[in-house]
This record gives sequence, structure tokens and C-alpha cells, in this order.
Amino acid sequence: KNEVEQSPQNLTAQEGEFITINCSYSVGISALHWLQQHPGGGIVSLFMLSSGKKKHGRLIATINIQEKHSSLHITASHPRDSAVYICAVKETSGSRLTFGEGTQLTVNP
Amino acid sequence: GAGVSQSPSNKVTEKGKDVELRCDPISGHTALYWYRQSLGQGLEFLIYFQGNSAPDKSGLPSDRFSAERTGGSVSTLTIQRTQQEDSAVYLCASSFGPFTEAFFGQGTRLTVV
Repeated sequence: KNEVEQSPQNLTAQEGEFITINCSYSVGISALHWLQQHPGGGIVSLFMLSSGKKKHGRLIATINIQEKHSSLHITASHPRDSAVYICAVKETSGSRLTFGEGTQLTVNP
Repeated sequence: GAGVSQSPSNKVTEKGKDVELRCDPISGHTALYWYRQSLGQGLEFLIYFQGNSAPDKSGLPSDRFSAERTGGSVSTLTIQRTQQEDSAVYLCASSFGPFTEAFFGQGTRLTVV
């Protein structure tokens, strides 16, 4: 079992839909990252959070430390949101990031 | 610089040759990480630098892989006697410290033929 599990693996939505990507982890963490990877490989850090909720534009990330679960929400989705979204955790035992397998999001016009 | 810079962006090399991949972190970032993403697979950790020392290099897959960091800034990942299974995108990330947000470079796509 992976230490970080994401669902769904693939998600197709129509433009304007509300999207949720989930991440569950099994280790103690100091922080959780949500990353975005576009075709071509470049990775952008969307959020780093250790508690509660963060919002940036149409993106919202929440984390529940007790349940070891985080969600990434996209409101009013747009085709330019199409990318792979990756959850990554920084374990309390070290400094490395451990990654989920990613969620491929496709938003159709 | 404004962001993490990696070079080259693409590298094609013949099996058995040595390659060097470079990472310029964001100025002032003391922590630097190398990760690898093989085709169709998730990201995996290779090595972590704090300053010029590497307290965690447990992710390096074999002794053909080595990395150094000089002046607390630029890092070089060296792969000796490359093999086809080394083909991957090699990503560098940096952060102010080990517990702050990481910023990623665009990666180096390595193809071993």
C-alpha cells in the first residue's frame, strides 16, 4: 500500500464543473503539498498546508490531520486547468517529499 | 534567479556515457532536492542537500549516481555509465529550509539510447 494515495486517478469534467481530488496518507506529516504538472513536465506548487484550509483564486485546499486526508477543489473549472495534480507529504521523520501517483484532470470545453 | 533553473532541459545520451545535470536553486534557499519521474511512474526522491551536505541520499538508485552542491547554491547530479532505465525526467526543487514550501524547476528530460 502506498503511503500516499490519491483518487480518482483520472477525472474528466465539463467546463464550469466543481472538481474534487482526494488524498489520503498513512504516515505522520509536517506538511502536505498540492502540485500541478502540465504536459512537458514542469511542476508548480499550488499549496503547502499543515492544517485547515487555503484558498487561491478558484483553488481551495483543505486538510484534516486527524483523518489523514486532504482535498483539492477547483471551482468553475476551465480547460486550462487540465493537468496532473499531485499530492505530496513531508513526513515528520524527515525532509523528503513522498508523492501520490497523481490525478490526471481533463476539462472539456 | 527568479525560480529554480535546470539545465539542460533535454539530454539524449548513448548507453554507457556519463551525464551531468545542473540545478540552480532560488537564491537564499538552503535546502535542495533531486527527484526522478520515470515514464508512466510517480515521482521518487533521490537526494536532499542542506547547504553543501547531503544528510539524506538514500534515494540514489545505485553507485552510478552521485550529486554534489557547492557554495550552498548550484548542484550537479552525475550519472555514470548510463543505462536505458535511467531515462526519466530529473526534477530539482529548493526551499528556504527543510520545512518550508518547495519550488520546482522545469526538469531535465534524459533519454538514454
